[in-house]
Amino acid sequence: EAGVAQSPRYKIIEKRQSVAFWCNPISGHATLYWYQQILGQGPKLLIQFQNNGVVDDSQLPKDRFSAERLKGVDSTLKIQPAKLEDSAVYLCASSEAGGTYEQYFGPGTRLTVT
Amino acid sequence: GENVEQHPSTLSVQEGDSAVIKCTYSDSASNYFPWYKQELGKGPQLIIDIRSNVGEKKDQRIAVTLNKTAKHFSLHITETQPEDSAVYFCAARSRHAGGTSYGKLTFGQGTILTVHP
Repeated sequence: EAGVAQSPRYKIIEKRQSVAFWCNPISGHATLYWYQQILGQGPKLLIQFQNNGVVDDSQLPKDRFSAERLKGVDSTLKIQPAKLEDSAVYLCASSEAGGTYEQYFGPGTRLTVT
Repeated sequence: GENVEQHPSTLSVQEGDSAVIKCTYSDSASNYFPWYKQELGKGPQLIIDIRSNVGEKKDQRIAVTLNKTAKHFSLHITETQPEDSAVYFCAARSRHAGGTSYGKLTFGQGTILTVHP
């Protein structure tokens, strides 16, 4: 079974620039999550999708972050404009349905904002 | 919202020793407590989990205990091996308002475990 795929793996941008991350969940997984993991901390949930609908985006900084999952499969997370404090690893995870099952994480995208 | 505290932040043991990592949570309605292992450059991987209706669970060298009254849970690794070296995270799943559970996990800060040969 193929795991959660993410790209790119690394990205370096200057502050105020824009960046987008892509995630392809495990086939058949209805629930998709985006987490932000700052160095030395645990992952923090940014947004959760159930199919193509948003279940929880309470911790997403909506003035600069946006995410979509148009066809209920893959997803993109965008930051515009980036700030220095956005430097982190962005993890995508998926689970079978309703969040009651194990969450499988992708390898993450390491973002450095200079 | 849920708050998870994890201790210690670093743990160094000799190969063959046991390692214990402890977590506390704040939301008494949380009902699912997974533990993840994260190796360098990789995403977290589930190693064991426990639900609120169970007090203890064991899987070979790994065990987890849950005390709902005290709102704390612990990871126990016995006969540690160098390949156990990694960052370990505990997490708690809280419910949305209205009682619906959608799997939102709140993670602890992580424990860097180093097993010396």
